[in-house]
Amino acid sequence: DAKTTQPPSMDCAEGRAANLPCNHSTISGNEYVYWYRQIHSQGPQYIIHGLKNNETNEMASLIITEDRKSSTLILPHATLRDTAVYYCIVRVMAGNMLTFGGGTRLMVKP
Amino acid sequence: EAGVAQSPRYKIIEKRQSVAFWCNPISGHATLYWYQQILGQGPKLLIQFQNNGVVDDSQLPKDRFSAERLKGVDSTLKIQPAKLEDSAVYLCASSLDPTRWGIGFFGPGTRLTVL
Repeated sequence: DAKTTQPPSMDCAEGRAANLPCNHSTISGNEYVYWYRQIHSQGPQYIIHGLKNNETNEMASLIITEDRKSSTLILPHATLRDTAVYYCIVRVMAGNMLTFGGGTRLMVKP
Repeated sequence: EAGVAQSPRYKIIEKRQSVAFWCNPISGHATLYWYQQILGQGPKLLIQFQNNGVVDDSQLPKDRFSAERLKGVDSTLKIQPAKLEDSAVYLCASSLDPTRWGIGFFGPGTRLTVL
């Protein structure tokens, strides 16, 4: 599975959009981009995933660049409850292992 | 729908002792995973089961760690004997369809402290 690079930490004001970047320059054509988050003292929670088209669900939007070498997770209106570590992962759909990196620690401030 | 259940939530033991963790996945989920998360790091996969068979245990330290899922439902992870570096949160996760891991679910984890 391709390696990902994320900033270790970010701050965001409550009510504003949080844009979390992820670089995956060695991604293969059949690898998907997954985003998870982990709130303190809880297990990771699935947010969204995509292959090459932008995706949106009730939690977030995922923007993948045309060359697929990077992506951005967007939380449109961040709340204090969105404070968590956000993990960007790339893997093949049928792959077994999900490899977590260090993630981005997002702090949403009032 | 009930989530993934794990017990105990916390465990403190001394090095060289043994410890076991229990996981009950979401009903009907054939795939079960055990992860180890050391403080400040992302989770690391230890073992993956498909029903009662092992799919991937390449990162399981087999000299001291063992896991089983005898009836394809509940699973136990054991450490014997424990070392200081085993202090971590042990996460269990389950998935309905192993080809769509992105919609798997994690339990709350068991925090192990080895003194």
